[in-house]
Amino acid sequence: NAGVTQTPKFRVLKTGQSMTLLCAQDMNHEYMYWYRQDPGMGLRLIHYSVGEGTTAKGEVPDGYNVSRLKKQNFLLGLESAAPSQTSVYFCASSLGDGREDSYEQYFGPGTRLTVT
Amino acid sequence: AQRVTQPEKLLSVFKGAPVELKCNYSYSGSPELFWYVQYSRQRLQLLLRHISRESIKGFTADLNKGETSFHLKKPFAQEEDSAMYYCAKVQGNTGKLIFGQGTTLQVKP
Repeated sequence: NAGVTQTPKFRVLKTGQSMTLLCAQDMNHEYMYWYRQDPGMGLRLIHYSVGEGTTAKGEVPDGYNVSRLKKQNFLLGLESAAPSQTSVYFCASSLGDGREDSYEQYFGPGTRLTVT
Repeated sequence: AQRVTQPEKLLSVFKGAPVELKCNYSYSGSPELFWYVQYSRQRLQLLLRHISRESIKGFTADLNKGETSFHLKKPFAQEEDSAMYYCAKVQGNTGKLIFGQGTTLQVKP
C-alpha cells in the first residue's frame, strides 16, 4: 500500500496563476482532508470530504476549491494564486466508518507551494 | 469555538532528561485526542491516541478531564526524539481534527 500520496511535491507559482494539487489514497477511506501548515499556526483545515461526491468547508476555505469525484482522490484547486497561499499543503484521510479507530488520520508527504 | 493549546513553541532538553509537552483542550463531552509527530520535512505520523492508552517510542499521554489536558511525557529523551509534536482533538462526527500550534522538541547531546 502506498498510503496517501500527493503530487506535486514542490511548485512555484506567480501571482494569479492557477494549479491543482492531487491527493490519492489506496486505503478505501471515506473521509479526506486538506490542510495548510504555516509556522506558528499549526495545521489548519481548508476543506474536507466525508465521501465520494461530497465536500465541505473547513477553517480557511477562501481562495481554494475542491472536488471528490472518485473515492480515492481529493483535488485542491487554487484558481488565482496569491502570496498569502505560500504554504505547505497536507492531505489526509481516515476510515470514517464509526469504529474506534475511524478518526485516525493518515497524512500525505506534503506539497511545498511558493507564490511569488 | 473548540481549541487545542500547546503553550510552548520550543522545548529544549538534554539527552536523558525527562520531557513533558503540554496540551490543553476546550471541554466538549468525551474528547478524542491524538498526538502526532513530524520529523524534519516529513509527513505527520500518529504517535498516540488516548483511547488506546499505549506507549509508543517510550512516550505516554494521560487524559486529565478535570484539567482538560493531554500532556505527552517521556522519562528519558533521546536525540532522535527531536521533532515537531502536535496535539489534536476530534471535532464533531466528521473526523475533523483541531490541531494545536505545535511544539518543537530539541534534544541536545
